[in-house]
Amino acid sequence: SQQGEEDPQALSIQEGENATMNCSYKTSINNLQWYRQNSGRGLVHLILIRSNEREKHSGRLRVTLDTSKKSSSLLITASRAADTASYFCATDAGQGGSEKLVFGKGTKLTVNP
Amino acid sequence: DVKVTQSSRYLVKRTGEKVFLECVQDMDHENMFWYRQDPGLGLRLIYFSYDVKMKEKGDIPEGYSVSREKKERFSLILESASTSQTSMYLCASSPAGTAFNQPQHFGDGTRLSIL
Repeated sequence: SQQGEEDPQALSIQEGENATMNCSYKTSINNLQWYRQNSGRGLVHLILIRSNEREKHSGRLRVTLDTSKKSSSLLITASRAADTASYFCATDAGQGGSEKLVFGKGTKLTVNP
Repeated sequence: DVKVTQSSRYLVKRTGEKVFLECVQDMDHENMFWYRQDPGLGLRLIYFSYDVKMKEKGDIPEGYSVSREKKERFSLILESASTSQTSMYLCASSPAGTAFNQPQHFGDGTRLSIL
């Protein structure tokens, strides 16, 4: 049961530019998380934003959440080649007390040196 | 730092074999998860466990079983491997409570090929 959908599927930028990725979801959520996955590795948690928050920062990362539009965005500022990875959003399945996260299919980001 | 260790990075098995994938976490987490990741399909939850000897089916449990005899170890079992189970398998863990309230910590994955 797909919940989050990332957009675009792929993004290629130059080092130093900003990268913006979007996530849309279908049902109400309690929280939304963003993860990064380097090629051939596991996922690494980046940031969690709660449904009553609108914006959150962590270093060069900025996440926004618009519950009225059922969407979130991840902005990476001043990108580096090391930011090359796939980025996933994840939401709870909309059921209170669930231990499950539902992941989108990801945005593949390439940062060219 | 939380460490989730999967026993093999790459594994090749034959159709019909019984396959065991092992996962160990060192942070005393209650919740553990098994996902498979396929191109174009993203991550799909196979099984999860919120306590020793407890298990819950995820979205695609058919053809799989799990075992959690100790808190730190969660095993995924392919009862009779088929080529459709060729995939990347990811194990994750998180502390007690609802998973959407906290991050999941992932291992580096096992790339399994069934011939």
